[in-house]
Amino acid sequence: AQKITQTQPGMFVQEKEAVTLDCTYDTSDPSYGLFWYKQPSSGEMIFLIYQGSYDQQNATEGRYSLNFQKARKSANLVISASQLGDSAMYFCAMREMNRDDKIIFGKGTRLHILP
Amino acid sequence: NAGVTQTPKFRILKIGQSMTLQCTQDMNHNYMYWYRQDPGMGLKLIYYSVGAGITDKGEVPNGYNVSRSTTEDFPLRLELAAPSQTSVYFCASVQNGPLNGQYFGPGTRLTVT
Repeated sequence: AQKITQTQPGMFVQEKEAVTLDCTYDTSDPSYGLFWYKQPSSGEMIFLIYQGSYDQQNATEGRYSLNFQKARKSANLVISASQLGDSAMYFCAMREMNRDDKIIFGKGTRLHILP
Repeated sequence: NAGVTQTPKFRILKIGQSMTLQCTQDMNHNYMYWYRQDPGMGLKLIYYSVGAGITDKGEVPNGYNVSRSTTEDFPLRLELAAPSQTSVYFCASVQNGPLNGQYFGPGTRLTVT
């Protein structure tokens, strides 16, 4: 079974609009972390934001926020006021702390911001 | 701090050749990872290490070997290269402690022909 599921292979969004990228996960480990990464066309992987399973509040980093719904096992990335430079691949990832410390990635969502 | 460095940046191998991809981090991170990313795909974990002297298989370990003799270095060895190993290889490390984001190297683009 897939541990991380990103159901949107691609998205097109108008500049300045907010964007929500979906991510659902599957784990029985009570202690885990969820991460989002950005991969622009240049290829590097850029860490954006993380959420711990015990964190009470949703994580935020500038224009990025993580909509963490633990009961639904979802960790959607929200980008406010999108910019042309946000066009990239976005990956959701999970680390299970009590299991094996692996960090597993989803297949990604390609985001296109339209001018 | 250089962060995570990888060498080489690009390499072309012939089928059956061997090579070692180098990865070094200067942040004193215990945890290090090797991923491969095939064109248009996500990252698949090859091997990882939670500290010097300890390595474990990831999702796609076949055809690869690793070692971790020091905290800083985590080389990935390809023996008998095959076209299926054409990919971009990323090394990553993460800070000690429960839940932190990984730092990634710039990647090595490998082509096997």
